[in-house]
Amino acid sequence: QKEVEQNSGPLSVPEGAIASLNCTYSDRGSQSFFWYRQYSGKSPELIMFIYSNGDKEDGRFTAQLNKASQYVSLLIRDSQPSDSATYLCAVRAGNMLTFGGGTRLMVKP
Amino acid sequence: DVKVTQSSRYLVKRTGEKVFLECVQDMDHENMFWYRQDPGLGLRLIYFSYDVKMKEKGDIPEGYSVSREKKERFSLILESASTNQTSMYLCASSEGNTIYFGEGSWLTVV
Repeated sequence: QKEVEQNSGPLSVPEGAIASLNCTYSDRGSQSFFWYRQYSGKSPELIMFIYSNGDKEDGRFTAQLNKASQYVSLLIRDSQPSDSATYLCAVRAGNMLTFGGGTRLMVKP
Repeated sequence: DVKVTQSSRYLVKRTGEKVFLECVQDMDHENMFWYRQDPGLGLRLIYFSYDVKMKEKGDIPEGYSVSREKKERFSLILESASTNQTSMYLCASSEGNTIYFGEGSWLTVV
């Protein structure tokens, strides 16, 4: 079974700090990698996706992918209390999208 | 705006009942999915469909079936609901690298 692993947290960071969220996956055939944010009681919303090794930046968010190590991460710069949510890593192989268990992030004012 | 609509947001059903969860998307997407989400377990794929009348099992299909008679509609069926199927169910549709989720259906089986 294809696996996507995340530390469940909670990860607590002070406001203005960098939050670093990590994800590992087992399927070497995975093609695309996604980060979703999910507020309590809401459905997940896409933050960004990456499919090439290296970094991809979008505003305060940077996704990093290392296919050799089967590792993808999300950095959130200048963290805000509104960033407090659960962050889901998802990995796509073919038409299948497999999610990790999510990491709960708490940004303290 | 893309819309994925789950018609039932909150349901309470009795053990053994047949339950239908309906999902409709308005973007003519080929792919549609049903996930369930439980605390600490993330989203687990139940079934997905890549075309009308086509379906594939996901990671946890046991106790569920699906129906896709029209492209825009993907239904999840619990033939005989059990208490361990109490969960939040998310429908999604996708095209390319973008997946769109519905608002979720919270099912309680008593």
